Parts: sequence; structure tokens; C-alpha cells
Amino acid sequence: QKEVEQDPGPLSVPEGAIVSLNCTYSNSAFQYFMWYRQYSRKGPELLMYTYSSGNKEDGRFTAQVDKSSKYISLFIRDSQPSDSATYLCASGGGTGGGADGLTFGKGTHLIIQP
Amino acid sequence: NAGVTQTPKFQVLKTGQSMTLQCAQDMNHEYMSWYRQDPGMGLRLIHYSVGAGITDQGEVPNGYNVSRSTTEDFPLRLLSAAPSQTSVYFCASRDNYGYTFGSGTRLTVV
Repeated sequence: QKEVEQDPGPLSVPEGAIVSLNCTYSNSAFQYFMWYRQYSRKGPELLMYTYSSGNKEDGRFTAQVDKSSKYISLFIRDSQPSDSATYLCASGGGTGGGADGLTFGKGTHLIIQP
Repeated sequence: NAGVTQTPKFQVLKTGQSMTLQCAQDMNHEYMSWYRQDPGMGLRLIHYSVGAGITDQGEVPNGYNVSRSTTEDFPLRLLSAAPSQTSVYFCASRDNYGYTFGSGTRLTVV
């Protein structure tokens, strides 16, 4: 079982809709959680970073972490065609030593229809 | 622009050839890492470094070497390229607020 699971999609929604992207993770030692956006043929770009459970909001984006259920969510309000991309969730930390790399989900391909 | 710079952007190798993928960052980050991204597999950690002179293996290190002689540079060496190493390679550096990725090197081994 991969440590971070994410539905690959594609997820297609109309412009203006609220988008919900989700991940689950299995390693209870994970301490920080991130969402990256990746456009085609580009590197991942950090969208949201959260540490511990709770919500974090940045503009149209809200990240939510529930450590009790090991569930990570990203909500996008008023979705735009420019939001069309692959969204990667990632978790890490708490493993000790130097092995503090991130574990990524496989990414969800999101399509916002104009 | 500050960030992570990877070269080359594209490369085609023949099986058995060796090459070095270059990565440089100008943010003075101690932690740097290399990932490969394959369809259906996501991003997988190859090697990482927590500072100059210190490197360690990630999830998929076989066939790759790294060194870290300076804070800025973290090259990835393919010793004897194999078709299974056809992939997109990303270098990343990290501070307390997250990872910054380079734009990637698209490698094809024929």
C-alpha cells in the first residue's frame, strides 16, 4: 500500500464550481502536508503548506487536514480554466534521521470547463 | 529569477551511456533532492542531501549517483543508462515552508 493515495481522475467540472480534491495517507508519523499544482511539462509548484490538523486558507484555495482520519483535502472556490492542472498532495516529516523527503500522491488531473 | 535551475531540459541517451543532470539553487537551502516522475507512478525520491558533503538514498536509488560539494549544486549522475531510466527528472530544494522544484529534465534512453 502506497503511503499517500490520491484518485488520479480526471475530474472535470464547470467554471465557477467548487472543486474538492482529496488524499488519504497511512503513515501516522507524517507531520506536514502540502498541495502542489503541476501544469503540463512544468515542475510542481507549491500551493499550500500545512502543519498539523486544521484548515488553512489562501485566496480561493483552502487546505484541510484531519490527522485523526488521515485525510487531506484541497478546496478551490470559483474555479477558473487556468486552474486546470494536475494537483499533487504530499506528506512528510516525522521519520527521523535525514530521510525527510516528501511522499507524493500520484496526482489528480483537474479540468475546468469554460 | 531565484529558484532551482536544471540543465539540460531534454536529453536522448543510448543504452550504456553515462551523463550528469545538473541542478543549482540560489536560495541557500541546505536540503536538496532528486525525484523522477513516471506516468501512473507519481514522483519518487531518488537521492537527497541535507547539506554539503552529506547525501543519502531515497526510494529508487539504483543506477544513480549524487554528490554535494557545495550548497548550491546537486548533480545527478547516470552511470550506465538503461531504457527503464526514461523519465522526467526533477530537482528540488527545501526550506521550512516547502519545496521548490526545477522545471525538469526529460530523459529518453533508447
